[in-house]
Amino acid sequence: ELKVEQNPLFLSMQEGKNYTIYCNYSTTSDRLYWYRQDPGKSLESLFVLLSNGAVKQEGRLMASLDTKARLSTLHITAAVHDLSATYFCAGEETSGSRLTFGEGTQLTVNP
Amino acid sequence: EADIYQTPRYLVIGTGKKITLECSQTMGHDKMYWYQQDPGMELHLIHYSYGVNSTEKGDLSSESTVSRIRTEHFPLTLESARPSHTSQYLCASVWGSLWYFGAGTRLSVL
Repeated sequence: ELKVEQNPLFLSMQEGKNYTIYCNYSTTSDRLYWYRQDPGKSLESLFVLLSNGAVKQEGRLMASLDTKARLSTLHITAAVHDLSATYFCAGEETSGSRLTFGEGTQLTVNP
Repeated sequence: EADIYQTPRYLVIGTGKKITLECSQTMGHDKMYWYQQDPGMELHLIHYSYGVNSTEKGDLSSESTVSRIRTEHFPLTLESARPSHTSQYLCASVWGSLWYFGAGTRLSVL
C-alpha cells in the first residue's frame, strides 16, 4: 500500500526567500503529482512527474522526482504572497489509478 | 477540454436527512473517484469506479454509497446524514495521467 508523507506540514516564509517542500513515498509509484489548493477551493494541478529525474518548472515553482530515493521536491524561488496556499503531493500506485495524497503543506508567504 | 461538474457546491442539512451529491463528466472517462477532505487536511479516497456497474470502496471507511449506471454520472448518497459527515467532497475522473477534479461540495450537517 502506497503511503505519502510531506514535510514540512506548515511553512511560513518571507517574500523573496527560497524553500523546498519534500514528498516521500513508501513503494513504487508510477507517477507523482503536485497540486495547489486555496482555502475552500478544489485542487489545481501544478505538475505531473512521470519518470526518474523528471524536472518541471512553472514560474517560481520547480518540481523534481527521484524514484530511487522515492522522493519528490517542490522548490519555491523568491516567494511572493500569491503563492500562499496548501500544496499537496500525490502518488499513483502501479496497481491502479488511485491517487494517494500526502498530508499537505500549508504555505504562508509574509510581505 | 474535460469538464467535471459537482452539485450542489454548498449544502447545509439537518441530521437524519438523505442526500445525494452529484458528479458528472462530459469526456467519457471510465475511471471516477470520490475523495473526502476535512478543512486543511489530506484527501481520503472513499469510493471509486472503473466503469459502468463497477464500484469499489476506498481507503477511508464511509457510510456513503455510490452508483455508476451511466459512464458520465457518479452520484454519492448518504442515507442518513450525521454531523460527522460534515466535510468537503471532491469528485474526480482520470484519463491516462490527466486527473480532473470537480469544484467540490462543501457539506455541513447540523
